[in-house]
Amino acid sequence: GQQLNQSPQSMFIQEGEDVSMNCTSSSIFNTWLWYKQDPGEGPVLLIALYKAGELTSNGRLTAQFGITRKDSFLNISASIPSDVGIYFCAGRKETSGSRLTFGEGTQLTVNP
Amino acid sequence: NAGVTQTPKFQVLKTGQSMTLQCAQDMNHEYMSWYRQDPGMGLRLIHYSVGAGITDQGEVPNGYNVSRSTTEDFPLRLLSAAPSQTSVYFCASSWAPSGGVNEQFFGPGTRLTVL
Repeated sequence: GQQLNQSPQSMFIQEGEDVSMNCTSSSIFNTWLWYKQDPGEGPVLLIALYKAGELTSNGRLTAQFGITRKDSFLNISASIPSDVGIYFCAGRKETSGSRLTFGEGTQLTVNP
Repeated sequence: NAGVTQTPKFQVLKTGQSMTLQCAQDMNHEYMSWYRQDPGMGLRLIHYSVGAGITDQGEVPNGYNVSRSTTEDFPLRLLSAAPSQTSVYFCASSWAPSGGVNEQFFGPGTRLTVL
């Protein structure tokens, strides 16, 4: 079953605000990925993390690979209306090949 | 490159009917997988393949069959559709079967309704 706990489940924010979401697990992962899904589309990769403690940015997005290897965080700064969508974390274990485990998603709504 | 393509985009079936969801990728990726997405449950792995001729079960394989006769194609078959299979289905592919950089690229999805 699902092994990644993603929170919050949903967020309603005003344009310009910063956003934080996270994923936690009782298992250790050696890769963390963050995806965004727009309505009616497939998930698109935002950021990939491969080392514990790694902090990576992609424009206004910043993600971190937790030092314990059991969690990851995604921050969005100065949100804009096109940030609306579902954000998924995904983790890959050393023993699972290319198999990913997904979080349940965070639905983000940005009010102009 | 077209990336990962899926057909059809939408499908309505009656209980008991069979159908095949098509998935193709033109990136020469070895790893391909099928997920279903249901509200509040994220993406759950149905079946996956680490290369042509090799397939394995994921988290929710019951009611689905797959085959991988070529690197490019990975069809998903529903032999006898059930209402519980109403969902959005995503195909994904990535480079390496294990280790290294292996971000998965997703197709646009197939929205299936079983009446």
